[in-house]
Amino acid sequence: AAGVIQSPRHLIKEKRETATLKCYPIPRHDTVYWYQQGPGQDPQFLISFYEKMQSDKGSIPDRFSAQQFSDYHSELNMSSLELGDSALYFCASSWGERAGSTEAFFGQGTRLTVV
Amino acid sequence: AQTVTQSQPEMSVQEAETVTLSCTYDTSESDYYLFWYKQPPSRQMILVIRQEAYKQQNATENRFSVNFQKAAKSFSLKISDSQLGDAAMYFCAYRGPNYGGSQGNLIFGKGTKLSVKP
Repeated sequence: AAGVIQSPRHLIKEKRETATLKCYPIPRHDTVYWYQQGPGQDPQFLISFYEKMQSDKGSIPDRFSAQQFSDYHSELNMSSLELGDSALYFCASSWGERAGSTEAFFGQGTRLTVV
Repeated sequence: AQTVTQSQPEMSVQEAETVTLSCTYDTSESDYYLFWYKQPPSRQMILVIRQEAYKQQNATENRFSVNFQKAAKSFSLKISDSQLGDAAMYFCAYRGPNYGGSQGNLIFGKGTKLSVKP
């Protein structure tokens, strides 16, 4: 079965650079969530999209932006990178309004290292 | 705001024994969902089990079962016949009612690191 695909799997950037993380949800899933997991931390919700519109916003810095495209894939754009942005970034997808839908499926994550 | 609390940072169990991981949560909602996720060293987030708040019956998935106490806002995970492959970080997570994608994000506890001794 198709899973959530994230690319790249690993990314190394220097401070003040820009990074773009991509997420391809499971086919027919209309909702995408982004989470940030720092070292030794629990995942923190950043932002979500439903049917290509932003649906919820969590603790996402102003330096970050995201969008969901017509094919439902999503991109997280991170600018002016800081050392503290080094983390594992997860994308998850689900059916947004499907009755009975309860779970989100996670991708394998993108490990971002800022040096 | 909803919160999830896991009071056991680390737990240890002997192979083939049973272990229970604790989780409490706080919410004013009556309709919500609770999950246990496993995160092995690969860092992949793997769904272990889920519970719908409107269901009184405790969820069970093979060796994994939950004790869901809605009034007490408690959601513990029991792992029976523990195996070496169960060693991982376990996160308890809450999700509110999901209407059109809103409030569908997960709120995680801090996690419990489970070690399995051979």
